[in-house]
Amino acid sequence: DAKTTQPPSMDCAEGRAANLPCNHSTISGNEYVYWYRQIHSQGPQYIIHGLKNNETNEMASLIITEDRKSSTLILPHATLRDTAVYYCIVRGVHGSSNTGKLIFGQGTTLQVKP
Amino acid sequence: DGGITQSPKYLFRKEGQNVTLSCEQNLNHDAMYWYRQDPGQGLRLIYYSQIVNDFQKGDIAEGYSVSREKKESFPLTVTSAQKNPTAFYLCATRAGQGRRTSGRVDTGELFFGEGSRLTVL
Repeated sequence: DAKTTQPPSMDCAEGRAANLPCNHSTISGNEYVYWYRQIHSQGPQYIIHGLKNNETNEMASLIITEDRKSSTLILPHATLRDTAVYYCIVRGVHGSSNTGKLIFGQGTTLQVKP
Repeated sequence: DGGITQSPKYLFRKEGQNVTLSCEQNLNHDAMYWYRQDPGQGLRLIYYSQIVNDFQKGDIAEGYSVSREKKESFPLTVTSAQKNPTAFYLCATRAGQGRRTSGRVDTGELFFGEGSRLTVL
């Protein structure tokens, strides 16, 4: 599975958009980009995933560059409850050589401030 | 309600004792995983199982053991051989190949339990 690189921490003002970057320059053609977040002392929560097209759901938007070497998770109107560690992960889908493992790095700690 | 139940939530043990952490799911998911998390760190994979009666070592399996006798259950035993067992342990499941999750064919989304915090005294 491709390795990802994220900034260790970011701040965002409440009500503003939070843009969390992720580099995955070694991503291969069949690997998806996943985003999870973990609020302190809880299990990680799935946010969104994508392959090459931009994706949007009720929680966030995912923008993937055309070369797929980086992506950005966008929380359009950050609230205090969005304060968490955000993990960017890449892995292949079923049917490839993957085994279903998701490898978590250290993520980005997002602090939303009033 | 459908979900993943980990127990106990908090556990204390003395050095040299084995302890078993429970993970039960009623999501009918095929794959189950155990991760370990240390303070300020990401998650590290201990063991995983893609189907009943089969499991594989993850990246840090030494000092741990698992079983998968039933689809719903994937208990983790932390043995006395684990040199630094104090950590937050997370169980996760995945629907499995070809299954639909939230209306979409499975592409690897993991569902996590609330975790078990083990402290060795």
